[in-house]
Amino acid sequence: ETGVTQTPRHLVMGMTNKKSLKCEQHLGHNAMYWYKQSAKKPLELMFVYSLEERVENNSVPSRFSPECPNSSHLFLHLHTLQPEDSALYLCASSQGSASPGADTQYFGPGTRLTVL
Amino acid sequence: AQKITQTQPGMFVQEKEAVTLDCTYDTSDQSYGLFWYKQPSSGEMIFLIYQGSYDEQNATEGRYSLNFQKARKSANLVISASQLGDSAMYFCAMREGRSQGNLIFGKGTKLSVKP
Repeated sequence: ETGVTQTPRHLVMGMTNKKSLKCEQHLGHNAMYWYKQSAKKPLELMFVYSLEERVENNSVPSRFSPECPNSSHLFLHLHTLQPEDSALYLCASSQGSASPGADTQYFGPGTRLTVL
Repeated sequence: AQKITQTQPGMFVQEKEAVTLDCTYDTSDQSYGLFWYKQPSSGEMIFLIYQGSYDEQNATEGRYSLNFQKARKSANLVISASQLGDSAMYFCAMREGRSQGNLIFGKGTKLSVKP
């Protein structure tokens, strides 16, 4: 495997279900990110992890719970979601450098989530 | 106020011709980075090109070049010799120097390449 992988690629869940999204990066990066992409809205940053510590949480509802057990893996645990949470969830990783030029983010293919 | 503005929701270009996708940005930071990403219908965000605020020359990567006009706060993407596979959404993004990892994206431009 190379780059950033995400599983599952598609997920349909009911509002009472609990599911998890998985992201794995094979780039040796130190920072990982979760983004939400809804129809007709710009990409929204949800969570940032640097060296396995959460450094940013952009006022995301508690029904989304991230977990970063090591620098290569990132999870997004989902519970009691709403239909408006249906979106494409993208994971990304980067070196984690303070310099913008050395911190290009590389994205996975995304998980397309539908909440019924 | 929007930090990244992409004014063209959709663009058409004839195969083999060049096309310019517009991006303007707003920041008070002196140090920042500008990125362009391509998103095909499959969903993956593909990094194309980067321009740093202190870079004196416009960035180029193969058929992609960035027309960086700092005083006008614009960072337009130029794709030369368009190919059918270039049809996709294109996003401009900015990272301000003071924010760790926080990429701010524009709303995107949908490019369609006609044969």
